[in-house]
Amino acid sequence: DTGVSQNPRHKITKRGQNVTFRCDPISEHNRLYWYRQTLGQGPEFLTYFQNEAQLEKSRLLSDRFSAERPKGSFSTLEIQRTEQGDSAMYLCASSLGVGTNTGELFFGEGSRLTVL
Amino acid sequence: AQSVTQPDIHITVSEGASLELRCNYSYGATPYLFWYVQSPGQGLQLLLKYFSGDTLVQGIKGFEAEFKRSQSSFNLRKPSVHWSDAAEYFCAVANTGGFKTIFGAGTRLFVKA
Repeated sequence: DTGVSQNPRHKITKRGQNVTFRCDPISEHNRLYWYRQTLGQGPEFLTYFQNEAQLEKSRLLSDRFSAERPKGSFSTLEIQRTEQGDSAMYLCASSLGVGTNTGELFFGEGSRLTVL
Repeated sequence: AQSVTQPDIHITVSEGASLELRCNYSYGATPYLFWYVQSPGQGLQLLLKYFSGDTLVQGIKGFEAEFKRSQSSFNLRKPSVHWSDAAEYFCAVANTGGFKTIFGAGTRLFVKA
């Protein structure tokens, strides 16, 4: 399978703990995105990388959230001191951002976080 | 700033009936417009996209959408719905360059026999 892969698929944690999600994009895609989706809502943009550079962050991304893409390949999203309001599906997407980029996003199946 | 409105939270149609899902967008320049579908437990999948040219675009699974600049709309249509089309549908708009995509809240489609 050469699609976008996310791990873990499900994570249950206690309030105050740290969690980390990993995303492996489609190998030739240089753009990588993180979105958050809560029940009954569409995906909300969190942040975006072009290669290893984090080019934009949403105001939704508080200081407790950090994302990295150290070698321009996989990415991690860490949430520190989790709160119940962080419970959501965290979606990763990738795209090819050169040449005739059409903006199409390829999504993984998401990592569902439940904070108790 | 970009924004997308999907006025219908959910819609129920009979199998074989036609479907139209509404989408209105706000964006200052020429938008990139998309419809994605999300089935339970699945990632979002692109149905179709519009950048320029012909305002009626065809997508996968028999879907089409029409871009109407004067109405800032990009409605999704299908002439005959199948039970397997039951899912959540998201309209999205991206800025020029396509690096920031904003999604609507989605419309859940129910299909009755």
